[in-house]
Amino acid sequence: HVQLQQSGPGLVKPSQTLSLTCAISGDSVSSNSVAWNWIRQSPSRGLEWLGRTYYRSKWYNDYAVSVKSRITINSDTSKNQFSLQVNSVTSEDTAVYYCARATPVAGYYFDYWGQGTLVTVSS
Amino acid sequence: QSVLTQPPSVSAAPGQKVTISCSGSSSNIGNNYVSWYQQLPGTAPKLLIYDNNKRPSGIPDRFSGSKSGTSATLGITGLQTGDEADYYCGTWDNSLSAYVFGTGTKVTVL
Repeated sequence: HVQLQQSGPGLVKPSQTLSLTCAISGDSVSSNSVAWNWIRQSPSRGLEWLGRTYYRSKWYNDYAVSVKSRITINSDTSKNQFSLQVNSVTSEDTAVYYCARATPVAGYYFDYWGQGTLVTVSS
Repeated sequence: QSVLTQPPSVSAAPGQKVTISCSGSSSNIGNNYVSWYQQLPGTAPKLLIYDNNKRPSGIPDRFSGSKSGTSATLGITGLQTGDEADYYCGTWDNSLSAYVFGTGTKVTVL
């Protein structure tokens, strides 16, 4: 049974960096059949896919165009977790952030989700 | 900003059926599989349907999915009060090279 446990601060100051971590149990971050994603949800933007990391003999990352210049997703195989960093945050980055596993066999879909972290950008 | 359009809300009495539409384009629904998610208040989304019409283990057959052209539909039969939630469609968009979600539909059981 796969579980994703998120951690990280719920309050970030404008212009600073948002950092969240997603610890994986029941699967491996370096599995070559899944992808590890970050998604956020806000009233103004709805559900928004931010990006993913996955391992297929080497590591790959893909990011949404809307955040590509400010986002980094990394993996840590020693701790079996992956992380999200968003730089230069503004109030527009206030949202609930989720990590999620995707199993792209035929279609792409998210079968396991973290519990969500409300991140507020405010001074 | 969602590229997939859903009705804001649908409602029906207990035991009845509702359908939720999800309209997209050839760059997303038209050429990719669709999934559906249920989000109960205060919780993370939960996978209901994947690959257009498949149900994960544990999802009752009251939930069904279909796709035709650039649109997809989620059906819920035998509506229960526990089905009151927000429902989202999603799929990969080839033009954006990103996963996109629908605008969301709130289901109300009258």
